[in-house]
Amino acid sequence: DAMVIQNPRYQVTQFGKPVTLSCSQTLNHNVMYWYQQKSSQAPKLLFHYYDKDFNNEADTPDNFQSRRPNTSFCFLDIRSPGLGDAAMYLCATESLAGPDEQFFGPGTRLTVL
Amino acid sequence: AQSVTQLGSHVSVSEGALVLLRCNYSSSVPPYLFWYVQYPNQGLQLLLKFTTGATLVKGINGFEAEFKKSETSFHLTKPSAHMSDAAEYFCAVSITSGTYKYIFGTGTRLKVLA
Repeated sequence: DAMVIQNPRYQVTQFGKPVTLSCSQTLNHNVMYWYQQKSSQAPKLLFHYYDKDFNNEADTPDNFQSRRPNTSFCFLDIRSPGLGDAAMYLCATESLAGPDEQFFGPGTRLTVL
Repeated sequence: AQSVTQLGSHVSVSEGALVLLRCNYSSSVPPYLFWYVQYPNQGLQLLLKFTTGATLVKGINGFEAEFKKSETSFHLTKPSAHMSDAAEYFCAVSITSGTYKYIFGTGTRLKVLA
């Protein structure tokens, strides 16, 4: 089945130690999103790629970066994780050719010690 | 500007009872509306969506929602709750700005009592 895959599902890092989360898709969608979701809150959009065009949300901290080397893969880099960055990170994809919805991966839960 | 309001951060129903989760939106243009479900430590799964056409939308797991433009609502219902329905539910409206970015409601946690 076509799907959105996130690795790892659980990631533990230390305060200030860079960490990279990955997302891959077999849907061949041209849009990929990264969300941060803290406990009992709605997902918060960090940024998205429309093909290779990067779109940052105005309130996304500089500590968060992203790379999209090809259509299938997208990475979230947290350069210096703080305790406040502990959250679930969700990747989603969308095709602008339809069917007008986002497809979500299972998420990566990040713990910062 | 678009916004989404979900009334009730926590809703409890008895198994077999009607489920009603409320969602109201504001939008200056005809909206696309979505309901997603999230189980613990999982991503979001689409339950149903309204884009155009029929205002009563049926989704997976027996859920349905009705788009009421006059009330700016898109409430989610299920006639008979099952224990497996216990989860977090998010209503979302999409805004068109090149891509269809979502605005999420704050979520409603559904608890199903035996």
